[in-house]
Amino acid sequence: ETGVTQSPTHLIKTRGQQVTLRCSSQSGHNTVSWYQQALGQGPQFIFQYYREEENGRGNFPPRFSGLQFPNYSSELNVNALELDDSALYLCASSPGGTESYNEQFFGPGTRLTVL
Amino acid sequence: AQSVAQPEDQVNVAEGNPLTVKCTYSVSGNPYLFWYVQYPNRGLQFLLKYITGDNLVKGSYGFEAEFNKSQTSFHLKKPSALVSDSALYFCAVRDGHNQGGKLIFGQGTELSVKP
Repeated sequence: ETGVTQSPTHLIKTRGQQVTLRCSSQSGHNTVSWYQQALGQGPQFIFQYYREEENGRGNFPPRFSGLQFPNYSSELNVNALELDDSALYLCASSPGGTESYNEQFFGPGTRLTVL
Repeated sequence: AQSVAQPEDQVNVAEGNPLTVKCTYSVSGNPYLFWYVQYPNRGLQFLLKYITGDNLVKGSYGFEAEFNKSQTSFHLKKPSALVSDSALYFCAVRDGHNQGGKLIFGQGTELSVKP
């Protein structure tokens, strides 16, 4: 069984640029969530996708957007990058829809550095 | 509002001794509680969860956690610590009435186990 994978591993961008991060969910999982983990902090929920539709969003501005594809993989897009966007971006997948009791399985993350 | 507190930034334990990593939470509905571990430059690994039922939950790698509703706590425990347990531990909560994927994480506790 393949776990959650993310690409790229590391990324360096400059302020104002746009970035796309990718995530492949674990086999059989139809729900994908994205989190931002700043250095020394716990992960912060960005949004969740279930069956290609956004299902819940955290306190992030609209320049953070996402997609989920029919194969349940997902993208996180960030426009107009700011220095504070530098963080580890984590993707997590879970089975069985959006039931609150399902644990989420995390990928290794993408380290984004904004200069 | 939902929140999680991990009152200790760091916990130091000698190998072979019992360990406890503390977590308290606040939710409006029934809490669904999770513990995750993060090794350097890695994503989060699921350890255990409490949904309902027995207050003592057993998880991976010999870890267990005790749910205490009156104290709104969910402390992580292990009877005998190993050096390999050294990592960053996160407690997370989800409101059982919230049909969405939002996990609220604590700030994390760095566990250091010395030989």
